Amino acid sequence: NAGVTQTPKFQVLKTGQSMTLQCAQDMNHNSMYWYRQDPGMGLRLIYYSASEGTTDKGEVPNGYNVSRLNKREFSLRLESAAPSQTSVYFCASSEWGRNQPQHFGDGTRLSIL
Amino acid sequence: AQKVTQAQTEISVVEKEDVTLDCVYETRDTTYYLFWYKQPPSGELVFLIRRNSFDEQNEISGRYSWNFQKSTSSFNFTITASQVVDSAVYFCALPSNTGKLIFGQGTTLQVKP
Repeated sequence: NAGVTQTPKFQVLKTGQSMTLQCAQDMNHNSMYWYRQDPGMGLRLIYYSASEGTTDKGEVPNGYNVSRLNKREFSLRLESAAPSQTSVYFCASSEWGRNQPQHFGDGTRLSIL
Repeated sequence: AQKVTQAQTEISVVEKEDVTLDCVYETRDTTYYLFWYKQPPSGELVFLIRRNSFDEQNEISGRYSWNFQKSTSSFNFTITASQVVDSAVYFCALPSNTGKLIFGQGTTLQVKP
């Protein structure tokens, strides 16, 4: 059982380049999330999708766009990468509801030069 | 506002010592849930436990135990007879009413042989 799969695992970009991070889950979860993790900042929510067909901004959405392609897939796009977006990105999924734990992918380590 | 505070940034113990990781939370909700996650050096985030505000009984799972006290807004995590494999960053998290997880800053636990 793969759970939440993120691709790629590592990526180096130059400032101004664009990139899409892919996420897919096989747990039939309704909700999906994108977080970024930075040293000393913990995990911060970028965007989330409560259910297929909906997306909403989180704490730090600027510079990002998302697409909920179907129930399984939720992608994160950087249109014009900036060094401040160097981070580790995590995708997560869960059933909808505050009592539902989120299950995370292994992360994508993104460096922007 | 909802907030999670993990005041211990780093803890270092010698193998077989017991160690307690502190988590203090703030919420105005009368019903809520709390989670603990583990992030080993390999980087993935692993869900450990969920507790709800109705149940203040301590929970024990093998060498792990959790002490939830509403009166002090704390949800502490104890590892008994720590092992090197317990070395990780541990996060306490509080789900918001939008579904996002509010994470503490994390506590880095180092268990030395």
